[in-house]
Amino acid sequence: ETGVTQSPTHLIKTRGQQVTLRCSSQSGHNTVSWYQQALGQGPQFIFQYYREEENGRGNFPPRFSGLQFPNYSSELNVNALELDDSALYLCASSSPGSRLGETQYFGPGTRLLVL
Amino acid sequence: AQKVTQAQTEISVVEKEDVTLDCVYETRDTTYYLFWYKQPPSGELVFLIRRNSFDEQNEISGRYSWNFQKSTSSFNFTITASQVVDSAVYFCALSEAGRGSTLGRLYFGRGTQLTVWP
Repeated sequence: ETGVTQSPTHLIKTRGQQVTLRCSSQSGHNTVSWYQQALGQGPQFIFQYYREEENGRGNFPPRFSGLQFPNYSSELNVNALELDDSALYLCASSSPGSRLGETQYFGPGTRLLVL
Repeated sequence: AQKVTQAQTEISVVEKEDVTLDCVYETRDTTYYLFWYKQPPSGELVFLIRRNSFDEQNEISGRYSWNFQKSTSSFNFTITASQVVDSAVYFCALSEAGRGSTLGRLYFGRGTQLTVWP
């Protein structure tokens, strides 16, 4: 158990809809990263938030957006869902300043199916 | 550009066999970090090991061992005396230092599906 939680665990949406995924980071961690993992692929970096600011973004369109809150929890929002957005969405938390804390610890993920 | 290659898509072994999972990486940075994660069918990525680019010492942890060689840009993972519970997808990942001391994004390989048969 990493202490990173995600909700919901599973979600079914239809094309064009919007979705919000949530992540609670491990206690003391101030950095949250989001990844998309398509079936049979490695996770792909979406973006990272550090102290409530975006700290890097991968090759994803603007309809993928995020937020980080003062308690360091985070949301991933996807607008205008497409079939290719069907994937496992993983959240990871980490914290600078400690050797062990520099590792990203992952939550259980949210499985999104877009019909 | 950063890239991680796991050439082995699937490996099957019988319990108690040793198995090595290969990982080759590319980066232009002189400071970087390498990781191995395990992903069981439940989907959660489980951290196994982190290696800094300036520390080439090999590491052993129980039945797991890792061989880091900068000269060949490889970071291979060996499981000794494999067990059925080792069955999972294993990912190798690369990261470079982010802003401040924050760890940057992870670049993952495509993963190796390991199946251990009883």
